[in-house]
Amino acid sequence: EAGVAQSPRYKIIEKRQSVAFWCNPISGHATLYWYQQILGQGPKLLIQFQNNGVVDDSQLPKDRFSAERLKGVDSTLKIQPAKLEDSAVYLCASSASAPSSYNEQFFGPGTRLTVL
Amino acid sequence: AQSVSQHNHHVILSEAASLELGCNYSYGGTVNLFWYVQYPGQHLQLLLKYFSGDPLVKGIKGFEAEFIKSKFSFNLRKPSVQWSDTAEYFCAVNAPNDYKLSFGAGTTVTVRA
Repeated sequence: EAGVAQSPRYKIIEKRQSVAFWCNPISGHATLYWYQQILGQGPKLLIQFQNNGVVDDSQLPKDRFSAERLKGVDSTLKIQPAKLEDSAVYLCASSASAPSSYNEQFFGPGTRLTVL
Repeated sequence: AQSVSQHNHHVILSEAASLELGCNYSYGGTVNLFWYVQYPGQHLQLLLKYFSGDPLVKGIKGFEAEFIKSKFSFNLRKPSVQWSDTAEYFCAVNAPNDYKLSFGAGTTVTVRA
């Protein structure tokens, strides 16, 4: 079974530039998550989708971050404009069914963003 | 909201040594508990989980964890580590009515051959 795919794996940009990350979840998984993992910290949830609807975006900095999940499959996370403190690994995860505390989340390899 | 603290930032040990990683959480109600592992160059993967029942949980690759409710702890153990256990280990928690996972900062484990 193919896992969660993410691209690019690495990205270096200058502050105030824009960047976009792509995620393809495991086939058939309804729920998709985006996490931010700053160096030395654990992952922090940014946004969660069920199919193509947003379930929770309470921790997404909406002034600069946006995300969408068209057609309930692939998802894109965008940062515009980027700040130095956005340097982090951005993880995408998916789970099989509706949001539940019991569902195992499967993680992708992440995109490491460096903002100079 | 829950918070998770992992006691050790970096643990270095030799092969065949025993491993114990501490995890404490702060939340007054019922919780679900998880340990995730990230091997070098690989993605995060689930090592084991506890929802209810027997507080001693066995996971993959010989790992186990014990939930001690009175201590708000969920420590991870392995009796004899191998070089391939070199990885970063994350403790995570959520509440049964809240799917959001709260992660600890992680513990890097280095096993010397």
